[in-house]
Amino acid sequence: DQQVKQNSPSLSVQEGRISILNCDYTNSMFDYFLWYKKYPAEGPTFLISISSIKDKNEDGRFTVFLNKSAKHLSLHIVPSQPGDSAVYFCAASDRVNAGKSTFGDGTTLTVKP
Amino acid sequence: NAGVTQTPKFQVLKTGQSMTLQCAQDMNHEYMSWYRQDPGMGLRLIHYSVGAGITDQGEVPNGYNVSRSTTEDFPLRLLSAAPSQTSVYFCASSRDSSNQPQHFGDGTRLSIL
Repeated sequence: DQQVKQNSPSLSVQEGRISILNCDYTNSMFDYFLWYKKYPAEGPTFLISISSIKDKNEDGRFTVFLNKSAKHLSLHIVPSQPGDSAVYFCAASDRVNAGKSTFGDGTTLTVKP
Repeated sequence: NAGVTQTPKFQVLKTGQSMTLQCAQDMNHEYMSWYRQDPGMGLRLIHYSVGAGITDQGEVPNGYNVSRSTTEDFPLRLLSAAPSQTSVYFCASSRDSSNQPQHFGDGTRLSIL
C-alpha cells in the first residue's frame, strides 16, 4: 500500500503560468512534508517543506499548501520558468520515524517557453 | 564543501558478483541513508544510520549490507548481485534524525546482467 501518492506522472505548463503539483498521503501519523526537485543524472535537491502545524509555507516562487483533513498537499510554482522543468518528489515523515522519509513516485514538470 | 559524494557513478556487474557502493559526506551529519530508485518510481529506503556504529533496516533491505564505522562514510554492500537490484542508488545525509531535509549524492547507476 503506497502511503504517499502523486497521481499525475507528468504536467506541462506554459512559461509564466502557475504550476500546481499534487500529493496525497494515507498515514495520519505523517507530520512533516517535503518537496524535492530532481534533474536528470543528479540527486534530488530539497525545495520546500511544511510542518503539520501549518497549512501554508512560502519561499519565493514556491508555496506549499497542506490540507490535513483531506491528507493532501500541493506545490504551487508562480510564475513557472523553463528552468523549473524537472521531476518533483513529494516526501513525508513522522516524529516517531523522523528521518525515514516516504517518497511518492514523482511528477515530471515541463515548462514550455 | 563537496556535500555527499558517491562512487562509482556507473557500474555493470554480473549476477552473483559482489561490490561496495561508496558514500561520503563532509558536513558532519549524523544521519545517513541509502535509497534505490527504479524507473517511474520514487525512492525506497534500503538502510539508514543515526550515527557511527548504529545502522538499521529500511523498507527494502534484503540483499544489502551496511556499516558505519565513521561519521563521514556509509558504504552499501551488495552481497550477491541479482538482476532485480538493477537500479539507481542514492545516498543521503542530514544533520540528525529529526524532521529536516536530506542532502543527496548524485547517484550510482548499477546494472546487473
